[in-house]
Amino acid sequence: KAGVTQTPRYLIKTRGQQVTLSCSPISGHRSVSWYQQTPGQGLQFLFEYFSETQRNKGNFPGRFSGRQFSNSRSEMNVSTLELGDSALYLCASSLEGVTEAFFGQGTRLTVV
Amino acid sequence: KQEVTQIPAALSVPEGENLVLNCSFTDSAIYNLQWFRQDPGKGLTSLLLIQSSQREQTSGRLNASLDKSSGRSTLYIAASQPGDSATYLCAVRGDSGGYQKVTFGIGTKLQVIP
Repeated sequence: KAGVTQTPRYLIKTRGQQVTLSCSPISGHRSVSWYQQTPGQGLQFLFEYFSETQRNKGNFPGRFSGRQFSNSRSEMNVSTLELGDSALYLCASSLEGVTEAFFGQGTRLTVV
Repeated sequence: KQEVTQIPAALSVPEGENLVLNCSFTDSAIYNLQWFRQDPGKGLTSLLLIQSSQREQTSGRLNASLDKSSGRSTLYIAASQPGDSATYLCAVRGDSGGYQKVTFGIGTKLQVIP
């Protein structure tokens, strides 16, 4: 059974640009959530999608957005990149939000 | 606002020792608590999930307990091995401002010395 797949694994972007990250959940999972991990703040919850609807959200600015498609694949977009957006972005999938979450390997974003 | 604390921040033990990692949270109204391990530069590997109605879960050499009333969870690792070296994270799901939110601790970095 394939795990959670995140693409790309590494990205380098310039300040002010925008970026789109992709997450393919485990087959049959309908919930996808996104997290930002930095050395200073640890893991922080961005948002969660279930059946194409954003169901839960953390405390990030509107520059961070996402969507989920009918096949449960999800994308996260960050606009007007700032240096502080450099981080490991992780997505997790689960059958439902309260069931066991399985994480992908992450996308390492570097903003220069 | 939910806050999750993990103590100790780092731990070094000789191979074969039994050890306990601690996780505490400030808001006891949680849906579940999940333990993960993370190897350097990698994603998270799920270890155990405890729903709010459960008291403990076991998987192999791992046992996790949950005491919601006191806001505490412990992860017990029996007969530690060098392959157990990693950062261990706990995460709680609860309500926040009309939404559900997952809050992570900073983690305990474990080193098992051969």
